[in-house]
Amino acid sequence: AQSVTQLDSHVSVSEGTPVLLRCNYSSSYSPSLFWYVQHPNKGLQLLLKYTSAATLVKGINGFEAEFKKSETSFHLTKPSAHMSDAAEYFCVVTRYSGGYQKVTFGTGTKLQVIP
Amino acid sequence: DAGVTQSPTHLIKTRGQQVTLRCSPKSGHDTVSWYQQALGQGPQFIFQYYEEEERQRGNFPDRFSGHQFPNYSSELNVNALLLGDSALYLCASSFIRDRVVEQYFGPGTRLTVT
Repeated sequence: AQSVTQLDSHVSVSEGTPVLLRCNYSSSYSPSLFWYVQHPNKGLQLLLKYTSAATLVKGINGFEAEFKKSETSFHLTKPSAHMSDAAEYFCVVTRYSGGYQKVTFGTGTKLQVIP
Repeated sequence: DAGVTQSPTHLIKTRGQQVTLRCSPKSGHDTVSWYQQALGQGPQFIFQYYEEEERQRGNFPDRFSGHQFPNYSSELNVNALLLGDSALYLCASSFIRDRVVEQYFGPGTRLTVT
């Protein structure tokens, strides 16, 4: 079984300040973890992924995430928020087993960036 | 690479009608999944197609059906539309690399049922 918990439904930051979006996971297997971003009325864009290589993963637009097995976390960070970062962010865990692809979404975190 | 494409972009239908949405996967991807995303909610898994067969299904009624073609493209059909079917419908294609599922999403089709 696997699950994903995004700890904050809304996060508000000022432009130029750091961003932290929190994600905890539960998985019986070594997880593959992803962060997607969704701007209003758009599809989901892959930001970054962890697939059991380096624990610190760099993505697009200056985002990065660190896989911490001891804390079962995969938090998304960015040093300095930009207005264009305002969007909804989804943490996702996937697993391939027995010929089936299992994909589990978190409930999403809406990021507001204040000018 | 065109990525995942969906058509149409927007659609308005009347309650009781039927609708067909289309998806072309990213090149090299053999699996297509469909999601429904209501306003303000996260994506809800409808079903997944692989090798032209429905492999997994979420908690959606039989009014929702699909098809996958030999070229891996897919259709989502919804019969007897209800007002509650109004949503953004997302198609995602995926592939397996080193036993890791990587999923890429299309831009979605916005369905409005009046």
